[in-house]
Amino acid sequence: GQNIDQPTEMTATEGAIVQINCTYQTSGFNGLFWYQQHAGEAPTFLSYNVLDGLEEKGRFSSFLSRSKGYSYLLLKELQMKDSASYLCAVSHLSNDYKLSFGAGTTVTVRA
Amino acid sequence: GAVVSQHPSRVICKSGTSVKIECRSLDFQATTMFWYRQFPKQSLMLMATSNEGSKATYEQGVEKDKFLINHASLTLSTLTVTSAHPEDSSFYICSARGGTSGSADTQYFGPGTRLTVL
Repeated sequence: GQNIDQPTEMTATEGAIVQINCTYQTSGFNGLFWYQQHAGEAPTFLSYNVLDGLEEKGRFSSFLSRSKGYSYLLLKELQMKDSASYLCAVSHLSNDYKLSFGAGTTVTVRA
Repeated sequence: GAVVSQHPSRVICKSGTSVKIECRSLDFQATTMFWYRQFPKQSLMLMATSNEGSKATYEQGVEKDKFLINHASLTLSTLTVTSAHPEDSSFYICSARGGTSGSADTQYFGPGTRLTVL
């Protein structure tokens, strides 16, 4: 089974930094994804971590610790367009690379 | 690239009718496609996994006779909601795995179809 937890909501100011944490408990862990979803739209791929450490991609970075079952997504230099839901998803070794999604963290960026 | 299209984007139908939703991978061959549904302010719930040329694998609690999935080619999967009822109203999203970006695990999502059953 799997249990993926992330905060429900976060609010930050334009230009600031926000860190979204995700903890998971799962059998057969194969990798962790972060997706961004704007209201009424489908998710878009942000990052993928399979090894421990930090992956940096522009203003967004993602970190993984497999031993701790922990990941975070770091959003730097926040812009208004970053207001969205951020989904943490875990990939499993078994069965067609299914993804299990967390409930999502709604980030609101204020001026 | 890894572009996935979905059609229609929005559909309103009467109770009892059937609705077909198409999912296409435009610039890559999708070895596997997935169908999700999402209720307001909730996360994505996997409905079924679809491999080209074989029967779909449905998640527990999803009625296979109600949600018919056909994966006719490596670029096309269809979901048909049969005899739709108001409780089937939801946001249906497909995803495809097999693009050249990211990893082999990465799923790329279509834009979604909002179904409203009156």
